[in-house]
Amino acid sequence: DGGITQSPKYLFRKEGQNVTLSCEQNLNHDAMYWYRQDPGQGLRLIYYSQIVNDFQKGDIAEGYSVSREKKESFPLTVTSAQKNPTAFYLCASSLATSVRELFFGEGSRLTVL
Amino acid sequence: AQRVTQPEKLLSVFKGAPVELKCNYSYSGSPELFWYVQYSRQRLQLLLRHISRESIKGFTADLNKGETSFHLKKPFAQEEDSAMYYCALWGYQKVTFGIGTKLQVIP
Repeated sequence: DGGITQSPKYLFRKEGQNVTLSCEQNLNHDAMYWYRQDPGQGLRLIYYSQIVNDFQKGDIAEGYSVSREKKESFPLTVTSAQKNPTAFYLCASSLATSVRELFFGEGSRLTVL
Repeated sequence: AQRVTQPEKLLSVFKGAPVELKCNYSYSGSPELFWYVQYSRQRLQLLLRHISRESIKGFTADLNKGETSFHLKKPFAQEEDSAMYYCALWGYQKVTFGIGTKLQVIP
């Protein structure tokens, strides 16, 4: 079954802890993206990667980090420096940044207690 | 900078009535505009893109460069159209989304 898999779907974290959200795709897509979705604010781009071992900051990268060691994987770490981490996080991919259709995962909901 | 504005957070229409979801954009280059839809408990998915000039599920959208708009229209709303709709602009290397409009079709 091809697609994008995000895990976990729900995650609770204590303040001061880092947490890593997983995003895996088997679509053989080059480009991957992380968005944050908040009510009334739409989707905001955190980080994106066009190719393995390369990634760029999006509009709200502060307090987040990513890696792209494998084509199929693009994990997002929400660090303790992120001031308001409680949100719904969406991972997406596209065949390449020139092929302009995004495919989305089901999302991960992070709650900081 | 690239920006997408969706002025309505919620749009309620009766079944069979026309629908227009508004989208305006700001971008210095030649934009590519898209509409994405998220039905209840489903993934966000592409609805249509301006370069295709196609009709999907009865929806159409025309890019108006003079008014920098890309409004989504459907002549007769159906209950199954109830969903969250996002306008998106693909600029240089990244996609910017609007805040979304929740369409509620009243039976």
